[in-house]
Amino acid sequence: DQQVKQNSPSLSVQEGRISILNCDYTNSMFDYFLWYKKYPAEGPTFLISISSIKDKNEDGRFTVFLNKSAKHLSLHIVPSQPGDSAVYFCAASVTGTASKLTFGTGTRLQVTL
Amino acid sequence: DVKVTQSSRYLVKRTGEKVFLECVQDMDHENMFWYRQDPGLGLRLIYFSYDVKMKEKGDIPEGYSVSREKKERFSLILESASTNQTSMYLCASSFTTGGSNEKLFFGSGTQLSVL
Repeated sequence: DQQVKQNSPSLSVQEGRISILNCDYTNSMFDYFLWYKKYPAEGPTFLISISSIKDKNEDGRFTVFLNKSAKHLSLHIVPSQPGDSAVYFCAASVTGTASKLTFGTGTRLQVTL
Repeated sequence: DVKVTQSSRYLVKRTGEKVFLECVQDMDHENMFWYRQDPGLGLRLIYFSYDVKMKEKGDIPEGYSVSREKKERFSLILESASTNQTSMYLCASSFTTGGSNEKLFFGSGTQLSVL
């Protein structure tokens, strides 16, 4: 049972444009959400997170939006850069479970010149 | 910077062999995790540990065991490797804050091939 879903396995965006990566979850107990970025042959690295008490969190070019009623979150990257080409994983957890994260299946983003 | 080190980058083993994957972190983190990453399946949690000598099953523990004798080291053991355990294995650690801002720090991964 996939509790965190990323329905788009891949996404291609031109440099300078906006990248929007989507994530849906089914477990209403999740209250903390994270995005990780992974380059080939490297471990995932933390990108940005959001608590369920917020609906938006911004960090430079990266913004995460949370729609609790729809159980949906999205990551916006503006402007997209070639170095953003990577696999992006959405993850969710329940506060107090000491970072036991449930990950989505990932979306491969390719930023073209 | 937090460093999570996995002992091998690539490993090739034969079916039936006992396999040890080692992970060491240098930030005194309480929590350590083993995930495997497979195409189309994302990262799935195998085992985790909140403290020395403690372990808990994740979502896919079958065929695996773990050992945590020291705080900084978390080992994943494949008792009898099988071809369906060919995968990228990722170790991670985190610090318990008690709040909602805990995040995982990952190692570079071990690509295990079982022939």
